[in-house]
Amino acid sequence: DTGVSQNPRHKITKRGQNVTFRCDPISEHNRLYWYRQTLGQGPEFLTYFQNEAQLEKSRLLSDRFSAERPKGSFSTLEIQRTEQGDSAMYLCASKPGANVLTFGAGSRLTVL
Amino acid sequence: GQQLNQSPQSMFIQEGEDVSMNCTSSSIFNTWLWYKQDPGEGPVLLIALYKAGELTSNGRLTAQFGITRKDSFLNISASIPSDVGIYFCAGSSYGQNFVFGPGTRLSVLP
Repeated sequence: DTGVSQNPRHKITKRGQNVTFRCDPISEHNRLYWYRQTLGQGPEFLTYFQNEAQLEKSRLLSDRFSAERPKGSFSTLEIQRTEQGDSAMYLCASKPGANVLTFGAGSRLTVL
Repeated sequence: GQQLNQSPQSMFIQEGEDVSMNCTSSSIFNTWLWYKQDPGEGPVLLIALYKAGELTSNGRLTAQFGITRKDSFLNISASIPSDVGIYFCAGSSYGQNFVFGPGTRLSVLP
């Protein structure tokens, strides 16, 4: 068990470009969550998966955002046509049977 | 929607002092979690609480699930420099996702 792994850890991109983040959860956890965290704030829920099914999406998840978990293992979060307001830390968490979240180290996005 | 408030927003303490912080909600929760986050890293779980009135310890940390189910408290005894960071509470109701507070930033002065 190597914990929740996120890549890349840092991404700097120009406005209008697409970016993709990957999350590898703890292997036996069937639920996977994406949160966004801006400076000085707590994490905000974006979406979650139970196995490969995306069960809930926040209103924060605009049409430019898409998340997938094709085989119920790793997940990707893609942001199309990035805007400066997308700059944030994107956190992935996985959840075992117990009601806790185990977070990865996050992927920090800077949009210039 | 659900909102959590954390108090204080920030605190500066001397090494060796005890620390108390709290989290309040406008809604009733059935689970409270406390996390610590270091700069550039993800939150790390400290304590999980599942029952109203529950008091749980993890080393020098003690957290309580408020009996109203709308609040939770975290105490750190005999603070040390590595306690520096941001402490977040998170709560969830049955079937709902976790909501996080804005955090309490702790600074420990030598």
